[in-house]
Amino acid sequence: EAQLVESGGGLVQSGGSLRLSCGASGFTFRGYWMSWVRQAPGKGLEWVANIKEDGSEKYYVDSVKGRFTISRDNANNSLYLQMRSLRAEDTAVYFCARDQTFVRGVIISFPMDVWGQGTTVTVSS
Amino acid sequence: DIQMTQSPSAMSASVGDRVTITCRASQDIINYLAWFQQKPGKVPKRLLFAASNLQSGVPSRFSGSGSGTEFTLTISGLQPEDFATYYCLQYNGHPRTFGPGTKVEIK
Repeated sequence: EAQLVESGGGLVQSGGSLRLSCGASGFTFRGYWMSWVRQAPGKGLEWVANIKEDGSEKYYVDSVKGRFTISRDNANNSLYLQMRSLRAEDTAVYFCARDQTFVRGVIISFPMDVWGQGTTVTVSS
Repeated sequence: DIQMTQSPSAMSASVGDRVTITCRASQDIINYLAWFQQKPGKVPKRLLFAASNLQSGVPSRFSGSGSGTEFTLTISGLQPEDFATYYCLQYNGHPRTFGPGTKVEIK
């Protein structure tokens, strides 16, 4: 069974940094794009970033560009989100989610079918 | 960037009702749309992908339709466990975008 487990959340002061991790098991991690999604308290879901299978492409929502960096370690089945210059509005539960995968250019697995339980980031001002 | 809207933002319904939620994209996303259900304090759960394909294990009372810019999620015969918030997600390129959500409450 595919599983994702996030860690690294916590309380940080405004302007500080935090690194989130997501460990994957039960599927071929290196074969999938991976995403980070967040949810501020009482708010909806917001896609944050994703990364291609081999790490060669990365995309971000505008509000985190230049501050957050997504990365992965396929040898250790791990996904990361380095967050810098944190703001109060970054306070949220952060989920990692399995994104899409392709075979010979054809999508065979569609985004966000597997989610972690989330890790909470609180930025104090 | 593609913007997503959902209507209604909230609704009250009774067990057994037929419920329809609409999601609109600001530009053509073909059928690159998924629907999610989230209950309070829980992880989102994917219900449908590619607009109309039911996720394995999801009850058949959930269905999806649409293409281009307008999509619908229908729950045929609302059950007590269906009271939740529903989100659409477009994945036609980047950035991906969720809709703002539709909260389905008990009447």
